[in-house]
Amino acid sequence: QSVLTQPPSVTGAPGQRVTISCTGSSSNIGAGHDVHWYKQLPGTAPKLLIYGNHNRPSGVPDRFSGSKSGTSVSLAITGLQAEDEADYYCQSYDSSLDSYVFGTGTKVTVL
Amino acid sequence: QLQLQESGPGLVKPSETLSLTCTVSGGSISNSRYFWGWIRQPPGKGLEWIGSFYYSGGTYYNLSLKSRVTISVDTSKNQVSLKVRSVTAADTAFYYCARQVGHPGFHYFDPWGQGTLVTVSS
Repeated sequence: QSVLTQPPSVTGAPGQRVTISCTGSSSNIGAGHDVHWYKQLPGTAPKLLIYGNHNRPSGVPDRFSGSKSGTSVSLAITGLQAEDEADYYCQSYDSSLDSYVFGTGTKVTVL
Repeated sequence: QLQLQESGPGLVKPSETLSLTCTVSGGSISNSRYFWGWIRQPPGKGLEWIGSFYYSGGTYYNLSLKSRVTISVDTSKNQVSLKVRSVTAADTAFYYCARQVGHPGFHYFDPWGQGTLVTVSS
């Protein structure tokens, strides 16, 4: 029962820009808790993609960017590539649940 | 380079206890800068935080699992362990351990272990 909602799937052609939304509530994103993003390739563990809403760890291409507005955050992928085909999850903290929470996950498909 | 490796039985019978170990290499679990967390993912489904250990501050659990979960550490082996009691088929999942970076309310998970699949079945 995820408290962060993401679209189930997003599709784009190579080179295009796609965005993934992550919608929360007043006890998590709306409370000011930061959001982090992970990329999960099939059969592998999730890997940190964005932390603190918009920061990229070393080695993550600048094609990936994060933004936050109110109770929603977004992950944008520009110049879509075949290697971007994966599941993407947002994550934050919920002060009502006193728990770290993940989004429902979004599958990105590259045509 | 920090690495985490989960290990334990891949098959557990219903009502029994699931026990997993996360061995950390390239860093110390006693480092007060970090927490160490467990996350699980049922096959084909999303991620769920189970709980975390902080060497200087104790353990923290997902309230939905708190009554059945225990996280402990063995500093001599640099390991973090997870026990889930009275398991059912709903506990079938990939179990991951990960380092938590940041501060309470801001933690993110990096890096993650490769994960291990635990199936609950008789």
